[in-house]
Amino acid sequence: ETGVTQTPRHLVMGMTNKKSLKCEQHLGHNAMYWYKQSAKKPLELMFVYNFKEQTENNSVPSRFSPECPNSSHLFLHLHTLQPEDSALYLCASSVGRTDEAFFGQGTRLTVV
Amino acid sequence: AQSVTQPDIHITVSEGASLELRCNYSYGATPYLFWYVQSPGQGLQLLLKYFSGDTLVQGIKGFEAEFKRSQSSFNLRKPSVHWSDAAEYFCAVVIYGGSQGNLIFGKGTKLSVKP
Repeated sequence: ETGVTQTPRHLVMGMTNKKSLKCEQHLGHNAMYWYKQSAKKPLELMFVYNFKEQTENNSVPSRFSPECPNSSHLFLHLHTLQPEDSALYLCASSVGRTDEAFFGQGTRLTVV
Repeated sequence: AQSVTQPDIHITVSEGASLELRCNYSYGATPYLFWYVQSPGQGLQLLLKYFSGDTLVQGIKGFEAEFKRSQSSFNLRKPSVHWSDAAEYFCAVVIYGGSQGNLIFGKGTKLSVKP
């Protein structure tokens, strides 16, 4: 148990659906991240929030929309996804940007 | 461009044998270095980290890693592997761009342990 909780653990959605992934941490961390993990590809950093402000968007398509309402919660809103978006989406948090990241268990997303 | 290379995609070792997983980084200065482990269907767990000081760092589960500046390497080692060590291992570095740091991962090395 890392202290970072992601829900749901598994999600199947159609290409026209809208869904949201949730991440929660009560570790007092200031930075939160979304990563995408696909088969045979390295972990891809998608978004970074530091003190609730988005500081990084790694050329992620607009069909992924992050939201960080407070320092403990991070959402990833999904709409009109493509099958190639199927992956494990990992949330992480850290005290600061140079500290080790604590990861949630991930949401396994399947787009059909 | 800065990068992290884990040259071995898949390694199989016998239980009780020693293990070394390789990691090389490409970066102009000394980055912060990490090793994470991921069991199937799970998130990543930190094994150990190097920020500065002693170049041989000890981690959890009996793992250690040695930072070698001259080789730009941060290899992970364990003297005696247990069946429960079967997992995927990721080397990561914090790369600084502007005022921000990004945690960059290698592609991972999958470890299988045979009885």
